[in-house]
Amino acid sequence: DVKVTQSSRYLVKRTGEKVFLECVQDMDHENMFWYRQDPGLGLRLIYFSYDVKMKEKGDIPEGYSVSREKKERFSLILESASTNQTSMYLCASSNGQFNQPQHFGDGTRLSIL
Amino acid sequence: GQQLNQSPQSMFIQEGEDVSMNCTSSSIFNTWLWYKQDPGEGPVLLIALYKAGELTSNGRLTAQFGITRKDSFLNISASIPSDVGIYFCAGQLWGYGQNFVFGPGTRLSVLP
Repeated sequence: DVKVTQSSRYLVKRTGEKVFLECVQDMDHENMFWYRQDPGLGLRLIYFSYDVKMKEKGDIPEGYSVSREKKERFSLILESASTNQTSMYLCASSNGQFNQPQHFGDGTRLSIL
Repeated sequence: GQQLNQSPQSMFIQEGEDVSMNCTSSSIFNTWLWYKQDPGEGPVLLIALYKAGELTSNGRLTAQFGITRKDSFLNISASIPSDVGIYFCAGQLWGYGQNFVFGPGTRLSVLP
């Protein structure tokens, strides 16, 4: 089974802090994704990566950056956290072949005070 | 960006009833996925569909890839309490790379 592990289930940070969310997958997947999930808005893509050192902006990249130094790890960075970034963050990975489903981690519920 | 519509937005049913929900778009998709998300957890893949007209089952769940390629349907037979959760559809567009577009979800509640 695919295992996508997010480092924290719950996280509380203060406005202005730099926040790191970590995601690791154990299936040697090429593709990794970061989404945020808000009530009524569904899943919105923040950033994605198709390969090590590669990153692409998704639909809502403002206020975020990412890092993919190793194939299995994809980090989401909130450069200066703001209260409107309070949300559920979901990491996903998929095989690099076309049509392959994404597999999700359990999510990190982040609160910015 | 591209959008998927899911219907109904939420539903309350009695245990034992069958459930139907759908996902529609104005765009043509080459792949449809259905996920379920339990409270406080990440979405879990239920069914993947790859061909127009394809009908695939997973236990009590059955999903279909619409003939027009613009919609997909999920049916749950004989619902049980653990079916409670949010059901998401996701579609992959031609020429959209390897990303998926996600619907807003259908929230299912099962009454005993």
